Amino acid sequence: DAGVTQSPTHLIKTRGQQVTLRCSPISGHKSVSWYQQVLGQGPQFIFQYYEKEERGRGNFPDRFSARQFPNYSSELNVNALLLGDSALYLCASSWTGKNTEAFFGQGTRLTVV
Amino acid sequence: GESVGLHLPTLSVQEGDNSIINCAYSNSASDYFIWYKQESGKGPQFIIDIRSNMDKRQGQRVTVLLNKTVKHLSLQIAATQPGDSAVYFCAENLDYKLSFGAGTTVTVRA
Repeated sequence: DAGVTQSPTHLIKTRGQQVTLRCSPISGHKSVSWYQQVLGQGPQFIFQYYEKEERGRGNFPDRFSARQFPNYSSELNVNALLLGDSALYLCASSWTGKNTEAFFGQGTRLTVV
Repeated sequence: GESVGLHLPTLSVQEGDNSIINCAYSNSASDYFIWYKQESGKGPQFIIDIRSNMDKRQGQRVTVLLNKTVKHLSLQIAATQPGDSAVYFCAENLDYKLSFGAGTTVTVRA
């Protein structure tokens, strides 16, 4: 079975641009969460979607938005990119909204120049 | 701020020895915990989980211990191998989000 898949794996953007990151959860999982991981730190929670509804949002500005589609895949959008947005963006899927056995994808490495 | 922290940022272990990685959490209402392993350039890999109504859980070469009295979690790796070299994170589930500490870097010496 396929695990959590994210695309693209790497991305380079210029300050002020917009970016869309994609995530496909494990088959049967209805929850998708997004995390930001900067070098040397643990992942920081951005969003959780469960059954296509936003269940929670972390301490990130409104430039960050997300959605979940009927097939449970998800997109994370970041507008007006800043240099500080450079990070590894991780998607995790779970079959519950409480992160039961949450599995992560390989991440998207975003570099803002 | 972060509610989950690891006691030591680095751990050096001789191949074949047992490893113990510690983690302290601050929210007594947390009901679920996960240990992850992250290798360079990869996403966190699920190792083992434990619910707050348990004290111990065993997997293949790994054991997680939970002490709710002192809000402490540990991961024991038996017969540590070179492939165990990675950063290890404990994550605390708070309703809908996982909170991570900064991680412990484990280096296995040959």
